[in-house]
Amino acid sequence: LAKTTQPISMDSYEGQEVNITCSHNNIATNDYITWYQQFPSQGPRFIIQGYKTKVTNEVASLFIPADRKSSTLSLPRVSLSDTAVYYCLVGDPLRGGSYIPTFGRGTSLIVHP
Amino acid sequence: GAVVSQHPSWVICKSGTSVKIECRSLDFQATTMFWYRQFPKQSLMLMATSNEGSKATYEQGVEKDKFLINHASLTLSTLTVTSAHPEDSSFYICSARDRGRHSPLHFGNGTRLTVT
Repeated sequence: LAKTTQPISMDSYEGQEVNITCSHNNIATNDYITWYQQFPSQGPRFIIQGYKTKVTNEVASLFIPADRKSSTLSLPRVSLSDTAVYYCLVGDPLRGGSYIPTFGRGTSLIVHP
Repeated sequence: GAVVSQHPSWVICKSGTSVKIECRSLDFQATTMFWYRQFPKQSLMLMATSNEGSKATYEQGVEKDKFLINHASLTLSTLTVTSAHPEDSSFYICSARDRGRHSPLHFGNGTRLTVT
């Protein structure tokens, strides 16, 4: 089970790009990297998922280096509403019963006006 | 997109009573659902993995007789907190994933349980 390490907190300002890095040194060959966003008193919300190189969707980009031992979530031009906790999860969803999606401590992002 | 509905969103109960929380996948079939508990300012802690038609698998330290999980169909899992005590007050969140795909987890909006 790949353990993840993220910064506990980050601060930014509106309009800036924010990059949150997650370390997962013992990622397995079939593991995917998935990022979630959580607002207070809500369930986590899927942001982006990737396996290697770069993935981009309408809200974020995910950069994964060749060794896949880390990944970086990039949020372009953040706004106040991006203030939330961000979690990265590593695992193989097709592993069936042995897939145990475990959350690390996450990164609390605060966006200032 | 895939939607997971969790009900109720909040509940207040008296100590010693039982509370049932429902988790439904609305537009997909979920052979596996996961139940989490989250205390203030902390991360989600996995309580158990619920597989359709079989017994749930509980994480170490989670009492299976206290937190009863039933996954009777591909779209419904329930968590019953039996003989609730104030220390069971927490935010409970369920999640589910599409079977047979590399799809991400889809989460319910959580249930705030307060035991008085």
